[in-house]
Amino acid sequence: AQTVTQSQPEMSVQEAETVTLSCTYDTSESDYYLFWYKQPPSRQMILVIRQEAYKQQNATENRFSVNFQKAAKSFSLKISDSQLGDAAMYFCAYRSAYFGNEKLTFGTGTRLTIIP
Amino acid sequence: GAGVSQSPRYKVAKRGQDVALRCDPISGHVSLFWYQQALGQGPEFLTYFQNEAQLDKSGLPSDRFFAERPEGSVSTLKIQRTQQEDSAVYLCASSFGTSGDSPLHFGNGTRLTVT
Repeated sequence: AQTVTQSQPEMSVQEAETVTLSCTYDTSESDYYLFWYKQPPSRQMILVIRQEAYKQQNATENRFSVNFQKAAKSFSLKISDSQLGDAAMYFCAYRSAYFGNEKLTFGTGTRLTIIP
Repeated sequence: GAGVSQSPRYKVAKRGQDVALRCDPISGHVSLFWYQQALGQGPEFLTYFQNEAQLDKSGLPSDRFFAERPEGSVSTLKIQRTQQEDSAVYLCASSFGTSGDSPLHFGNGTRLTVT
């Protein structure tokens, strides 16, 4: 079974600064997808960024980028130029690429606070 | 509607009551998932449908939990004889495809409180 670990329950960052959220995972599979989701108080999970395990290049979406280290099973999220609207719970998630194992496995989350 | 719709948004049940939570996925989406999110935790997988077929129910915590999607569209999660430990947010998600690269779209969840 796959597991996802987020070791930082809470993080804070000054507005306009950069912050990195950590995530490690454990799997015996070679092909999978990794995600970062944002959950504001509205409770809706919003996809922030996605990484395919077979791609060496780190994914980037505007101010959000990842550092994917497949051998180390590490998948951190970097948020640049932090904005007040970035404040939320952030969840790292794993999804197998193999048929019959379609579920997302989530970490326990990191609460991000933006300091004005 | 444009997104995944869940109802009710809030539900309060007395211990021992039965509840039914509804999920309207995005039209045409084949895959549908239910997750349970306890306070301060990440979502935990409950069950997965591909059209009307329930392909994975390994996450259902007990036989009090039952899910259905009879016509491959709307899904209902039913909890019988609710217990206090069932208090959580129940999230529904759907995707167009069945493979791992098909993006999941989440609803706003139903917050269940069992008193």
